[in-house]
Amino acid sequence: GALVYQYPRRTICKSGTSMRMECQAVGFQATSVAWYRQSPQKTFELIALSTVNSAIKYEQNFTQEKFPISHPNLSFSSMTVLNAYLEDRGLYLCGARGGHFSNERLFFGHGTKLSVL
Amino acid sequence: QQQVRQSPQSLTVWEGETAILNCSYEDSTFDYFPWYWQFPRESPALLIAIRPVSNKKEDGRFTIFFNKREKKLSLHITDSQPGDSATYFCAATMSNYNVLYFGSGTKLTVEP
Repeated sequence: GALVYQYPRRTICKSGTSMRMECQAVGFQATSVAWYRQSPQKTFELIALSTVNSAIKYEQNFTQEKFPISHPNLSFSSMTVLNAYLEDRGLYLCGARGGHFSNERLFFGHGTKLSVL
Repeated sequence: QQQVRQSPQSLTVWEGETAILNCSYEDSTFDYFPWYWQFPRESPALLIAIRPVSNKKEDGRFTIFFNKREKKLSLHITDSQPGDSATYFCAATMSNYNVLYFGSGTKLTVEP
């Protein structure tokens, strides 16, 4: 079956430092990966949509300078949170879609929970 | 502008009752509406989804009712069980697009 793995599952970083999270698709080709952040209040924010061989599209309030994303192939994407501060806390989810599965199916990873001290 | 809205924010029902979770959306071009549920410390998982070609989608105890004219839909959970206690998210997208717009969620508690 199709799965999306994210790692690390949890991480803690000091305020002002950076951390990188990874997203790996297994069992299908992730032609597009959307990165979301779920706040401690449970609301979702779309950070960016990454499509292989296309420019990464960032949503308002999110920039490449703060959340650089790499999507080098059809099974892997990574995102870095640069200079993390308290407002960057939350659960970062990647949702991947693509391959021979129905295009209506979006597979989520378990998320990377970021805590900032 | 929030594309997808949900109500109520939280809902408590007794075991065996029907829970009704509401959702509305802004963009009339949305044509795919999945519902996700999320248990504590877990990531969201797809529960059930509907396309506007039909106004009802049923899967066991879970049923989506869809009203395209009013841009509203609802998730009905019949014979609610304590194991159904979770946060439910309504989402919407255009099927040729790769991004889901999520509502803010409804936290359902089913009391035994």
